[in-house]
Parts: sequence; structure tokens; C-alpha cells
Amino acid sequence: DGGITQSPKYLFRKEGQNVTLSCEQNLNHDAMYWYRQDPGQGLRLIYYSQIVNDFQKGDIAEGYSVSREKKESFPLTVTSAQKNPTAFYLCASSISAGNTIYFGEGSWLTVV
Amino acid sequence: EDQVTQSPEALRLQEGESSSLNCSYTVSGLRGLFWYRQDPGKGPEFLFTLYSAGEEKEKERLKATLTKKESFLHITAPKPEDSATYLCAVQAGGSYIPTFGRGTSLIVHP
Repeated sequence: DGGITQSPKYLFRKEGQNVTLSCEQNLNHDAMYWYRQDPGQGLRLIYYSQIVNDFQKGDIAEGYSVSREKKESFPLTVTSAQKNPTAFYLCASSISAGNTIYFGEGSWLTVV
Repeated sequence: EDQVTQSPEALRLQEGESSSLNCSYTVSGLRGLFWYRQDPGKGPEFLFTLYSAGEEKEKERLKATLTKKESFLHITAPKPEDSATYLCAVQAGGSYIPTFGRGTSLIVHP
């Protein structure tokens, strides 16, 4: 089945650690996105990529990093510089920039 | 600054009690308005895209409509399985990145 796969579903991070969230899609989509969702807030854009080897910062990129070495993959690293990383993270993709965005199932990150 | 506002924040209905959710927007040059359904702990599921005022789309008990200032998601004779958070997003101007509202949490009681 085609879709967007995020892993792990649940992740715990100690203070000072970097962690990487995986996002893989087999929809042959060019554009990929990372959003953060906190209770009572709308989805906030962290990073997005229109095409392989290219990505841009979203509204809340500080403390995060990404790479886009393959069309299918867009991993997100939450660095120790991110002061409040506990949240629900959503990866998404669209066939191209400007088209309907489809989401993965999300990953929960908790700082312990 | 572009803004997307959803109302109400929360809505409780009895099974079979029809109602509407609102998404109002203040943007320049609407390119598309999107509705999603999100179940707790899961990613949003795409429902509809609307492109121009007057457009309507339907899926089962849901019907989405669009005017120049707002969109409505009408829910006819809802069932408990319609309980979810409904998100609205607007794409406008030169940006292809949609702006999301905070959502409406719908609970349908049997």
C-alpha cells in the first residue's frame, strides 16, 4: 500500500540528546514537510522540501535539522538546542508544491 | 498577516443532530482551502479541497462549502464514529504552504 511511514511512534529523549525521527513515503511525491502539533495549537511548520537535496526553514526551525538525500526520505533531527521538544510530530508529503498535503501517523517525542 | 480561525473550538452533539463547523479566513488570493479529520493520536486524514467561492463537496455525512470569507463543514445526522477533531487549512497568495487553524473538536454522543 502507498503511504507515509513515520518511526518510531513513541520516543523518549534525555536532556542534551539529539534524536532523529524517520519519515519514508512511497507515493512518489516530490514535496515533503515536517509539522509540530501541541495541544490547543494549530500545526506549525518546521521544515519543508520541494525536491531532493533542497529544503527550507518553516516557522519554527530553531533547534531542528533535516536532510533530503533521497526522494522517499525526509528525516528530522531534534537537537539539544530545542528547548521544549515534547510534542507530536507529523510528517507529510504532496505530489508537488501547492498540491494537497497528506500526513503520516505521527511520532510522539517526550523529554525525560 | 494571513489568519485562519475555526469555530467553535469544541462541539458536542447527540447522534442524529445535524450541525456545522466554521472556518473563516483573511487571506489575499485564496488558492485552496482544505479540510482534514484527525483522530486522537493519529495524523490528519484528508477530506476535501475547495478552490473557489460557491464550490461544494460531499462525502457520506459531510458536506463542505466555500464563500469568499469562510468555509462550512456541514455534518448531517452525525454518528459517534464522526467524533474527531476537524482541521481547516488555507493556501493563499504566492505561498504553497497552507496555514492551519486550531481545529474544532467534535464529540457525538449515542
